[in-house]
Amino acid sequence: QSVLTQPPSASATPGQRVIISCSGSSSDIGSHYVYWYQHLPGTAPKLLMYRNDQRPSGVPDRFSGSKSGTSASLAISGLRSEDEAFYLCAVWDDTRSAPVVFGGGTKLTVL
Amino acid sequence: QVQLQESGPGLVEPSETLSLTCTVSGVSVATGGYFWTWVRQSPGRELEWIGYVYYSGSTKYNPSFKSRGTLSVDTSKNQFFLKLTSVTAADTAVYYCARGIGSGTAWFDPWGRGTLVTVSS
Repeated sequence: QSVLTQPPSASATPGQRVIISCSGSSSDIGSHYVYWYQHLPGTAPKLLMYRNDQRPSGVPDRFSGSKSGTSASLAISGLRSEDEAFYLCAVWDDTRSAPVVFGGGTKLTVL
Repeated sequence: QVQLQESGPGLVEPSETLSLTCTVSGVSVATGGYFWTWVRQSPGRELEWIGYVYYSGSTKYNPSFKSRGTLSVDTSKNQFFLKLTSVTAADTAVYYCARGIGSGTAWFDPWGRGTLVTVSS
């Protein structure tokens, strides 16, 4: 079981808004920045969000991130078919011997 | 732009050593503040952080890999490396290299496309 809990799947129709959650604890999400990655099997994972809510250049503003307490969320608005992918959260937790922890990933299906 | 590419054998026999290279372009691995990282994903499992190497040669490992793993860097070739000894079927995975940004973060950008390594005789 992953340290960071994500729903295994989510779905929505084009144009809709979807929110993907990532739940952790006081030592990981509660104490450190959260990062989000988009991953299509066979391709390089892509950084979507850094430091909770900062978008790298080139990431559309349809993507937004937030954090509250020990949970974080990635919201995608104006859903497009090309958004169908796995979405993973990640965080540093220096109370752990392996300090980088990833969520199990959420498979987003665009219906 | 910055690109990373993994290379190495796709098939390794049990008990042998897995050796992978990550070739970096667009930035020098000797640039301070970047932590050259390996991550793997075994079939059906979440991503697993293996560790990082800094340009100075200093390293940090996931304890699960510390006894069998060696991370190193060659600044003259702009490459960094992963060696994992005594592999078993449990080491079958897609191995990714990535640039870690800053210490004490899970900020990786960019990543390589990954290379599938199968451990089998």
